[in-house]
Amino acid sequence: GIQVEQSPPDLILQEGANSTLRCNFSDSVNNLQWFHQNPWGQLINLFYIPSGTKQNGRLSATTVATERYSLLYISSSQTTDSGVYFCAVGQGGSEKLVFGKGTKLTVNP
Amino acid sequence: DGGITQSPKYLFRKEGQNVTLSCEQNLNHDAMYWYRQDPGQGLRLIYYSQIVNDFQKGDIAEGYSVSREKKESFPLTVTSAQKNPTAFYLCASSVVKGTEAFFGQGTRLTVV
Repeated sequence: GIQVEQSPPDLILQEGANSTLRCNFSDSVNNLQWFHQNPWGQLINLFYIPSGTKQNGRLSATTVATERYSLLYISSSQTTDSGVYFCAVGQGGSEKLVFGKGTKLTVNP
Repeated sequence: DGGITQSPKYLFRKEGQNVTLSCEQNLNHDAMYWYRQDPGQGLRLIYYSQIVNDFQKGDIAEGYSVSREKKESFPLTVTSAQKNPTAFYLCASSVVKGTEAFFGQGTRLTVV
């Protein structure tokens, strides 16, 4: 099955810094989502981005489907950005999302 | 507000007991899913349903059962056959299979 690798596994930043999270996948996809898992465990949808670029406030994402990777950019990070960021992909109308293991982000004041 | 509601948030189960986790959505989505998350890991698919009265096994269905009698509801039963049930369980829904998925708040199950 498709493999999803996220890097880095852990990231520690000072408030105000910028960061880039990466998601590599091993096969073509037609569904790619980025989530933020908050300290209470809830998965918050950040982007649905099987291709192209999107921006939402301080966050933006780019997926280059032909090269099988996606990037999540966080600018001017805040302590509330802390948590685990997951990339998940789906293929060809498949029933499931395949998740990476996540990037744990810690933003210190 | 539209969304997905899971209950309870925390659940404790004794060895040998079956327990049922609730998932309700008011988004009018056809597809619903159950995922399991273990510490430090991503999510794995347990069961999914594309339509009322239909459901399919995911990657780790052994020891679990589901029903889909109403469009809004997709309860998950963790049976005594599930050897390692302690985990965080997340329910999701999407308009149809394979489209953008939205998740509930999760239920944390602990076997005592």
